[in-house]
Amino acid sequence: DVKVTQSSRYLVKRTGEKVFLECVQDMDHENMFWYRQDPGLGLRLIYFSYDVKMKEKGDIPEGYSVSREKKERFSLILESASTNQTSMYLCASSRGISNYGYTFGSGTRLTVV
Amino acid sequence: GIQVEQSPPDLILQEGANSTLRCNFSDSVNNLQWFHQNPWGQLINLFYIPSGTKQNGRLSATTVATERYSLLYISSSQTTDSGVYFCAGGGAGTALIFGKGTTLSVSS
Repeated sequence: DVKVTQSSRYLVKRTGEKVFLECVQDMDHENMFWYRQDPGLGLRLIYFSYDVKMKEKGDIPEGYSVSREKKERFSLILESASTNQTSMYLCASSRGISNYGYTFGSGTRLTVV
Repeated sequence: GIQVEQSPPDLILQEGANSTLRCNFSDSVNNLQWFHQNPWGQLINLFYIPSGTKQNGRLSATTVATERYSLLYISSSQTTDSGVYFCAGGGAGTALIFGKGTTLSVSS
């Protein structure tokens, strides 16, 4: 019954490493999103995509990039990981311009040391 | 830009009590949704409610779009209701923006 799958639940990386976070959905949703969640700051939007090969910056895109080569897969890339990118990363998908059926993955807790 | 504000920030209840959570949103929001994040971090979509009233078991939600607020009602609360409740909204073709959440603790 799992609909949005994030590749890792926990991840530890070193400062300066290139990090890939993968997200796959099986609901044929057009829209996919990446958020990060930090205590006291809530969920903040990093990037989103409304179609294959399309991307839009969210509120905090600095230090991140994304890739959407296939409809079901949306990858978040940390080009050079830094300690301030230690966080919980959440992927979501939805359908249509009204964002119906917004569904989250279980999250990846990334620690950069 | 889109603004979503929730109150109260924290709520402590005894099992069996009822509660009301409020969400105020800016006039650019037209697809208001409510989510519950359980203690293990999983976010579950509770309601898609741009307007009107919906019910699902002990939970119900009402959105008055003309006055730009939404209410989430929890009746006969149980310990499993604990966690963080988020409302989120966006305009057509934009991502959802989340409020800071209401942290609910239900004790037996």
